[in-house]
Amino acid sequence: EPEVTQTPSHQVTQMGQEVILRCVPISNHLYFYWYRQILGQKVEFLVSFYNNEISEKSEIFDDQFSVERPDGSNFTLKIRSTKLEDSAMYFCASGTTGTSGKTRYFGPGTRLTVT
Amino acid sequence: RKEVEQDPGPFNVPEGATVAFNCTYSNSASQSFFWYRQDCRKEPKLLMSVYSSGNEDGRFTAQLNRASQYISLLIRDSKLSDSATYLCVVNLSGYNKLIFGAGTRLAVHP
Repeated sequence: EPEVTQTPSHQVTQMGQEVILRCVPISNHLYFYWYRQILGQKVEFLVSFYNNEISEKSEIFDDQFSVERPDGSNFTLKIRSTKLEDSAMYFCASGTTGTSGKTRYFGPGTRLTVT
Repeated sequence: RKEVEQDPGPFNVPEGATVAFNCTYSNSASQSFFWYRQDCRKEPKLLMSVYSSGNEDGRFTAQLNRASQYISLLIRDSKLSDSATYLCVVNLSGYNKLIFGAGTRLAVHP
């Protein structure tokens, strides 16, 4: 069964550093997402991406965040200058349709630790 | 008011028990409804969609009451492997994002 993959599984970085989290969505999917989950809290939507542009973003997704699909397979989340509160699990997801949640598949996540 | 509210639990039940989880959502524009399962430090995985007519998948039954903005999940004959956090999730009409509840933790013991 095809799956979403994410690298690295765990990233440790110092406050103020830039990080790039990588995802390979399922190959025939057109919609891509990033969600995050701070330890002990709920999963929160960050951004959705379709047709090479952001289609929706949350208040969390401020100027420190950016997304890119640099080639036909990867989807990346960049945090420009990390803060302690960016420590969380970041999940990439992909889907075949936009507004139907049942077609959304999540990757295993990248645990980001900012020290 | 939280967009999606769930009882955090934990629900500690013996194997074979029937357990029910409830969830309420605040936005009447919510269009699609789901139960996801999340194991510790893992990604959310879709358990089942929830339809107004109610739907069943093996030991799992989901119900939706749009008038009361209430969703439920019933698990019959609990197994040890059902131990996880169950996430109530909604999708607003016209929006391209899922809104998650904080989850209800279930622990099934022998």
